[in-house]
Amino acid sequence: DTAVSQTPKYLVTQMGNDKSIKCEQNLGHDTMYWYKQDSKKFLKIMFSYNNKELIINETVPNRFSPKSPDKAHLNLHINSLELGDSAVYFCASSQAGDSPLHFGNGTRLTVT
Amino acid sequence: QQQVKQSPQSLIVQKGGISIINCAYENTAFDYFPWYQQFPGKGPALLIAIRPDVSEKKEGRFTISFNKSAKQFSLHIMDSQPGDSATYFCAALSTSGTYKYIFGTGTRLKVLA
Repeated sequence: DTAVSQTPKYLVTQMGNDKSIKCEQNLGHDTMYWYKQDSKKFLKIMFSYNNKELIINETVPNRFSPKSPDKAHLNLHINSLELGDSAVYFCASSQAGDSPLHFGNGTRLTVT
Repeated sequence: QQQVKQSPQSLIVQKGGISIINCAYENTAFDYFPWYQQFPGKGPALLIAIRPDVSEKKEGRFTISFNKSAKQFSLHIMDSQPGDSATYFCAALSTSGTYKYIFGTGTRLKVLA
């Protein structure tokens, strides 16, 4: 059983389009995250939700909108895609405290 | 103050050698320091973690050394194997904060056969 699963694995789209990435975790964790990994492999947090409430919102363009319908799901919708949005997006989950992050296998987004 | 500085950026080690990756932090509120291993096409996965009340933690061939006064910690991979070739990230977390992990910039390790 995949603990943190995200779909799709690959996403190729043109500038200006709107796209969504879905994430689900079956670990019973309370906190979910979206991370962006650029071409240099830097991992940068974008958002974090705890029990469906937004707790971290880094300096991310408002074209990015996360949605958490329940604590097992955290989706990411991106409007008006730009070339600079091309990256690998990782969903992750954890429990509170010093619980480790569990990452999904990423969604590689390519904007042409 | 929120940064975690990681070095080296890349590392090439012979099979059987010792790989050492270093990280330094500024924020004294950090109290949990994990290391993550990432293979191509996969998400990072927890390798080993330490809290600042101990100076060393060992799990198999992987050891974290922690120097609280210097605000530094390092990952040592003993008897490095080609299968260890991956990108390694250190991270830091304040467990009394908003669950915001701060990641280092990553080290690409290649172990030559």
